Amino acid sequence: DGGITQSPKYLFRKEGQNVTLSCEQNLNHDAMYWYRQDPGQGLRLIYYSQIVNDFQKGDIAEGYSVSREKKESFPLTVTSAQKNPTAFYLCASSLTGYGYTFGSGTRLTVV
Amino acid sequence: AQKITQTQPGMFVQEKEAVTLDCTYDTSDPSYGLFWYKQPSSGEMIFLIYQGSYDQQNATEGRYSLNFQKARKSANLVISASQLGDSAMYFCAMREGGGSYIPTFGRGTSLIVHP
Repeated sequence: DGGITQSPKYLFRKEGQNVTLSCEQNLNHDAMYWYRQDPGQGLRLIYYSQIVNDFQKGDIAEGYSVSREKKESFPLTVTSAQKNPTAFYLCASSLTGYGYTFGSGTRLTVV
Repeated sequence: AQKITQTQPGMFVQEKEAVTLDCTYDTSDPSYGLFWYKQPSSGEMIFLIYQGSYDQQNATEGRYSLNFQKARKSANLVISASQLGDSAMYFCAMREGGGSYIPTFGRGTSLIVHP
């Protein structure tokens, strides 16, 4: 079955550590997105990519980095520069902009 | 300025009754799409319904319908015959044209269905 796989489901980060969240899709979608969700908030865009080897900053890109070396993969790194990284992270993809498929999310906690 | 506004942080409805979740949007782009997603406590985002700006008819998908009032920039979700499993967060989202196709989400409405 086609879909988006995010891993891990839960992730714990120590202060000063970089961590990478995985997002893989087998839908052959061109566009991929990373969102951050905080309690009581909607989804806020971190980064997006419309083609391989190209990506753009979203509304809250500071402290995050991404890569898009393969169409199927769009990993997100939460760097030590992100001072408040505890949140729920959702990855999504789209082929035409008429529908978006989401992964099941990664819950990141700073310990 | 917020592009998507959901004014109801929480809603309660009795099982088997209908409920309307409000959504207003702001865009100057004549071509756009409106979406509703459901997010249960597990966190996954489940697509419910889509309405294109040029669609003449209101979208319907089973028990879900979208009350699209273009002049008022309103895209309310109507859930008929509520079920206990409908208890979740509901998000309204908009995608504008212009090629980037980036969806913007509202803050969501928490729906609780009472037996």
